[in-house]
Amino acid sequence: LAKTTQPISMDSYEGQEVNITCSHNNIATNDYITWYQQFPSQGPRFIIQGYKTKVTNEVASLFIPADRKSSTLSLPRVSLSDTAVYYCLVGDVYAGNNRKLIWGLGTSLAVNP
Amino acid sequence: DTAVSQTPKYLVTQMGNDKSIKCEQNLGHDTMYWYKQDSKKFLKIMFSYNNKELIINETVPNRFSPKSPDKAHLNLHINSLELGDSAVYFCASSQEMRPGTQYFGPGTRLLVL
Repeated sequence: LAKTTQPISMDSYEGQEVNITCSHNNIATNDYITWYQQFPSQGPRFIIQGYKTKVTNEVASLFIPADRKSSTLSLPRVSLSDTAVYYCLVGDVYAGNNRKLIWGLGTSLAVNP
Repeated sequence: DTAVSQTPKYLVTQMGNDKSIKCEQNLGHDTMYWYKQDSKKFLKIMFSYNNKELIINETVPNRFSPKSPDKAHLNLHINSLELGDSAVYFCASSQEMRPGTQYFGPGTRLLVL
């Protein structure tokens, strides 16, 4: 099973670019990499998903190297409202009942004025 | 319109009681999940149902029993509640082919006294 590792916490300032890296050395061939954002007292919210190379949407970019053993969530020009916990999720295996979704422990991002 | 809803939002009860948490999604998704999030924000998947069929059943006490009357609903029944069951329980749903892209409910905060 893929195990994910991400930093426990990060600090940044408004307007800076923030990169959060998740390690998943044992990622399986069929696994996608997904990032979620969670604010206090709310459920996690989908940010971005990718399989390889680079994915970009209106909120973030996701960089995945060729070996797929890690991924980096990039948040451009963060604001105070980006203060949240960010989770890396590896999984999406469809092989009969062998479906596993491995969540990271989350990175608590604090954006300072 | 709320995509994934849970009731109740808060639940305070005594040890030994039996309680249920209800979840409904109006997204037309095929797969639904129950998660437990402890005080350290660790997200643990408990169960997953696809078209009313159990597909993920992680190691949880058999006091926890999911029930899916139809693919839009997944309820969680907990027997003989214990102090350690205190946590936030999240319901989520996804399309069958992309379980990494989940939509979460607002959570049910369970406190066992």
